[in-house]
Formats: sequence, C-alpha cells, structure tokens
Amino acid sequence: NAGVTQTPKFQVLKTGQSMTLQCAQDMNHNSMYWYRQDPGMGLRLIYYSASEGTTDKGEVPNGYNVSRLNKREFSLRLESAAPSQTSVYFCASSESMVKPGAFFGQGTRLTVV
Amino acid sequence: EDQVTQSPEALRLQEGESSSLNCSYTVSGLRGLFWYRQDPGKGPEFLFTLYSAGEEKEKERLKATLTKKESFLHITAPKPEDSATYLCAVLNQAGTALIFGKGTTLSVSS
Repeated sequence: NAGVTQTPKFQVLKTGQSMTLQCAQDMNHNSMYWYRQDPGMGLRLIYYSASEGTTDKGEVPNGYNVSRLNKREFSLRLESAAPSQTSVYFCASSESMVKPGAFFGQGTRLTVV
Repeated sequence: EDQVTQSPEALRLQEGESSSLNCSYTVSGLRGLFWYRQDPGKGPEFLFTLYSAGEEKEKERLKATLTKKESFLHITAPKPEDSATYLCAVLNQAGTALIFGKGTTLSVSS
C-alpha cells in the first residue's frame, strides 16, 4: 500500500544542471499535482494534471516542465536549476479535480548551489 | 484573490489543555475546505474535507468546523503525539488547485 512515491528523496544540484523528479501513485487517481514548499510561503502549486494526457500551469510554473507519462506517473523537470529552486517538492494525487482531497508523497528535498 | 490565513503561527499546549486553530479564507463560492497534518520531514496527511457552513467532522481528538468565513480545528485533551503542523486549504475559484495557508505548528508537552 505505497500511495504516492517520489524519487529521489534528497538531491543537490549545481546551478545550471538539469534533473527530473519522479512521482508514481498506485491509487488509480485521475489527477496529479506538483507543489513546492518553502519556509514562510506555504505550499504552492507548480503544475497539475487533471487527467491522463493533460497538464496545466499552477501558481509558480516558471523554470519547470512536467510530463504525465501515464495514469500512474507524473514527472517534474528542471531544465537549468537555479538557487531560487531550492525547496522541498511534493507530488500529490486525488480522485479528480472535483474531489481534490489530495494524498501527498514524502517529498524531495532539493538544494541548488 | 483567493486567500487562506491561519492563526496562530505557533501554539504550545500542555497535555490535556484543549484549544482551537483558526483558518480564515476568502474565495468566491467555497467548493471545499481541507485540513491536513504535516509531521517534520513528511508530506501532508489528509484529515478532513468540509463543504458547507455548519458542517462538522471529527477524528479522535480533532474536530473541524466551518462557517461562511472561517474554519476551526478544535483539539480536545491533546497528547504529545498530536504535535505537528496543521495546514488548511481551500479549492480555488476555478476549481483547479488547492490554496494553502502557511500552517499552525502545534507543540504539546507532557
């Protein structure tokens, strides 16, 4: 009963490097989300996928891209990492956009130096 | 603008000392208010969803209530294991995203 699984859990990047954060859910949920959490800022939505085959920008999409690979998997890519992208990233999923009581993964702590 | 404000930022209680956390919101046409618990180093854990004023939900020592402007998370006779950050969120007007407050960090000492 894994729920939402994120990899990696920790990552250190140099400025300008690229990387992909992976997320998979085993609850047969239609909707998936990527959030970032920064001290004093709360959780902010980066991108979401309402259903397989669709993706849309959230509140803070600049510097990121996403891919909804299939119903289970939703990845987040940083093409050229910047120190401002140092954060904790959470993937989440929910039954649908109408029922967004989301289940969250354990998070990826990313540091860009 | 859709907005969620939580207070207080931090709360320290003695074991057994009941209290309430506040979540005030501004969103046109509330489609749902959500409470989460977050432990250090972990992802948020879903607790409750409330949809209409007057609605209440309970889970162990926690009870969430909702009015037209705010929600309260009442903690009755808390235990040290209730220590965590409690997050409140509302579904935005477009129905596309959760808008989170900054959370209330609760510490319960024995």
